[in-house]
Amino acid sequence: GENVEQHPSTLSVQEGDSAVIKCTYSDSASNYFPWYKQELGKRPQLIIDIRSNVGEKKDQRIAVTLNKTAKHFSLHITETQPEDSAVYFCAASSRNQGGKLIFGQGTELSVKP
Amino acid sequence: KAGVTQTPRYLIKTRGQQVTLSCSPISGHRSVSWYQQTPGQGLQFLFEYFSETQRNKGNFPGRFSGRQFSNSRSEMNVSTLELGDSALYLCASSPRESGSGANVLTFGAGSRLTVL
Repeated sequence: GENVEQHPSTLSVQEGDSAVIKCTYSDSASNYFPWYKQELGKRPQLIIDIRSNVGEKKDQRIAVTLNKTAKHFSLHITETQPEDSAVYFCAASSRNQGGKLIFGQGTELSVKP
Repeated sequence: KAGVTQTPRYLIKTRGQQVTLSCSPISGHRSVSWYQQTPGQGLQFLFEYFSETQRNKGNFPGRFSGRQFSNSRSEMNVSTLELGDSALYLCASSPRESGSGANVLTFGAGSRLTVL
């Protein structure tokens, strides 16, 4: 089945710096890649997603890139702010496996003021 | 528009007992997925229900089961509880079946189960 690996598990940056989180997936038929943000004690919330027919997508300070050949995708956060501190999860889904979302292990991002 | 509602929010059980968790999806959403969240393991997929039918299943033992009702509300049951079942159980709803394409999930707040 699909397997999603996420790195790093923890990331600490200074306010204003950029943060990059990387994920790799195993199923070459995966075609949908969302990112979720989970603040402490709260539910995961979708922040951005990308489909396999697109290489990059941006939404203000966040962007996601996808490399289908290498089977990896990344989340980029620019000009980080303390409120960006949270756990970020990547996920992938494949129609070969019924479209269920398989999540990475999560990255705990800490933005220090 | 009400979000995804899970009950109970917290519960404590002892080994060997069973537990039933409930999830009410967003109105109009017909797909409900369940995930187990534990520290270090991320979100592990349990199962998905759509139109009262299980459409996908994760790699969990048969002690974990679920069902969906005609109003799209879903329940999951864990029998013969083990200490390792302590976790946050999240349900998520989606307007479409996951197999139909990009499956945008809206999560509930979760039910935190502690097994003593």
